[in-house]
Amino acid sequence: GENVEQHPSTLSVQEGDSAVIKCTYSDSASNYFPWYKQELGKGPQLIIDIRSNVGEKKDQRIAVTLNKTAKHFSLHITETQPEDSAVYFCAAPGYYGGSQGNLIFGKGTKLSVKP
Amino acid sequence: DGGITQSPKYLFRKEGQNVTLSCEQNLNHDAMYWYRQDPGQGLRLIYYSQIVNDFQKGDIAEGYSVSREKKESFPLTVTSAQKNPTAFYLCASSMSRLATADTQYFGPGTRLTVL
Repeated sequence: GENVEQHPSTLSVQEGDSAVIKCTYSDSASNYFPWYKQELGKGPQLIIDIRSNVGEKKDQRIAVTLNKTAKHFSLHITETQPEDSAVYFCAAPGYYGGSQGNLIFGKGTKLSVKP
Repeated sequence: DGGITQSPKYLFRKEGQNVTLSCEQNLNHDAMYWYRQDPGQGLRLIYYSQIVNDFQKGDIAEGYSVSREKKESFPLTVTSAQKNPTAFYLCASSMSRLATADTQYFGPGTRLTVL
């Protein structure tokens, strides 16, 4: 089955700097890779996702890149702000009961942006 | 307002008691999921349902039970057989029950504490 590894587990940056979080996956058939942001005590919120037919996707200060050959995808946050401080999760499709409809999540990265 | 609601936000249970967590969605989504979140563990899948009156076990189903009698509702019961139930429980839903992965939308979560 799919295995998703996420690094680093914690990341501290100065406000205005960039932050990069990387995830690797094991199943070459995986075709959908979302990123979620979770603030303390709340449910995860989707911030960006990418499908395997593109290599990069941007949304203002957030971008995701996908390298299918190396089986890894990364979240890039530019011009970080204190409100970007949260836990970020990556995910990839997992097979359950013959269906690829579920997601396997990484263990999360706690991002701290220092003013 | 469309979305996923979970209740209660906080729940306290005595050892040996069963407790039911509520999850409701008005997004007209076919698939619903329950995850457990522990510090440093990421999200682990307990149960999922792709259609009414059908559900499947995830990675950590032991000690839990679910039902899916209505499309919009997917309650989770934490039974006394669950050895370590104290955790943050998250419900999610996605539009498609087809074979490809789809965006999952999360509720705000229920924090269960066993006294």
